[in-house]
Amino acid sequence: DAKTTQPPSMDCAEGRAANLPCNHSTISGNEYVYWYRQIHSQGPQYIIHGLKNNETNEMASLIITEDRKSSTLILPHATLRDTAVYYCIVRVEGGGGKLIFGQGTELSVKP
Amino acid sequence: DTEVTQTPKHLVMGMTNKKSLKCEQHMGHRAMYWYKQKAKKPPELMFVYSYEKLSINESVPSRFSPECPNSSLLNLHLHALQPEDSALYLCASSQGTGVYEKLFFGSGTQLSVL
Repeated sequence: DAKTTQPPSMDCAEGRAANLPCNHSTISGNEYVYWYRQIHSQGPQYIIHGLKNNETNEMASLIITEDRKSSTLILPHATLRDTAVYYCIVRVEGGGGKLIFGQGTELSVKP
Repeated sequence: DTEVTQTPKHLVMGMTNKKSLKCEQHMGHRAMYWYKQKAKKPPELMFVYSYEKLSINESVPSRFSPECPNSSLLNLHLHALQPEDSALYLCASSQGTGVYEKLFFGSGTQLSVL
């Protein structure tokens, strides 16, 4: 599976958009970009995933560059409850269900 | 019901004890997973079960023994653990093992080995 690189930590003001970058320069054509987050003392939670098109759901938007070498997760109006570790994961089709976590970005939303 | 329930929430055991962790889901999911997470580190995949059969073992030591007695239940049997095995053990489930499948995680069992 392609490796991902994320900044170790980021801050965001409450009510502002949080833009979390992820680099996956070795991604191949059958690999999907997934985002999960883990709030302290809880299990990870699915946020969103995509292959090449931008995606939006009730939680977030995912912007994938045209060359697919990087992506950005956008939380449009961050709240204090969005403080968590955010993991960008690349999953390969036919991988048997494997979800391999990288180091993630610790996002702190401040009042 | 979109919950994955793990019991117990906390467990303290000695190196000679035998204990088991339990995970249950009632979402009709056919894939279940065990992850191990050390403090301030990302979760590490241990095992994947698909249709009650072990499909992936990430070279986990034999002192960890998984079991999937039915499609709703996943156990992790622990024997002769070491202090470095102290960690948060997370269970997850998904509809299947396809790349589109979302994993649903429980809140974990915090294990301390003395």
